[in-house]
Amino acid sequence: KAGVTQTPRYLIKTRGQQVTLSCSPISGHRSVSWYQQTPGQGLQFLFEYFSETQRNKGNFPGRFSGRQFSNSRSEMNVSTLELGDSALYLCASSLTTGGATEAFFGQGTRLTVV
Amino acid sequence: DAKTTQPPSMDCAEGRAANLPCNHSTISGNEYVYWYRQIHSQGPQYIIHGLKNNETNEMASLIITEDRKSSTLILPHATLRDTAVYYCIVRVGYQKVTFGTGTKLQVIP
Repeated sequence: KAGVTQTPRYLIKTRGQQVTLSCSPISGHRSVSWYQQTPGQGLQFLFEYFSETQRNKGNFPGRFSGRQFSNSRSEMNVSTLELGDSALYLCASSLTTGGATEAFFGQGTRLTVV
Repeated sequence: DAKTTQPPSMDCAEGRAANLPCNHSTISGNEYVYWYRQIHSQGPQYIIHGLKNNETNEMASLIITEDRKSSTLILPHATLRDTAVYYCIVRVGYQKVTFGTGTKLQVIP
């Protein structure tokens, strides 16, 4: 079956702009998590959605937001982009969020802010 | 802060077993131990997870100590394609997931 699909794969934006990234989870998976990966900070948790509800949020400013649709697809939005937002943004999906549930990651969206 | 501690790097000869340690001394009773690996900026790949008992799948074995304060991921016959950063994490339910810095495993021909 198809894996986690993230679009676009690469993106270049200018400071001050906003960006929307998309994640399509594995069919049947209802949980979607987002992560930011930078060389300096490593993999950092952004937020997790389950059945259209945000279940948890990492320590990121309010410029970072997300949502999940009824078909479990998710989007994340970053407004007023800063140079430091340049990163690989990863999405992971899992069947549920409880107990032992492995997460499957997409290939990520590499965002460059210039 | 990450709940796990891993050595920053390790080398392993091709064909030999790679044993990657992880300390998680503050793990709580219902938290699972998960292992993922990331090959050069690709998305992390799930390897294995466990709660108390040792686990084995087609990729690896996971040995968890009786007190659950540490674990070891074993790749039985390392190949060059196993060169990656390996992450050990602990989580349950809706917890924020914190990845540490991981262990960079270099498999040497």
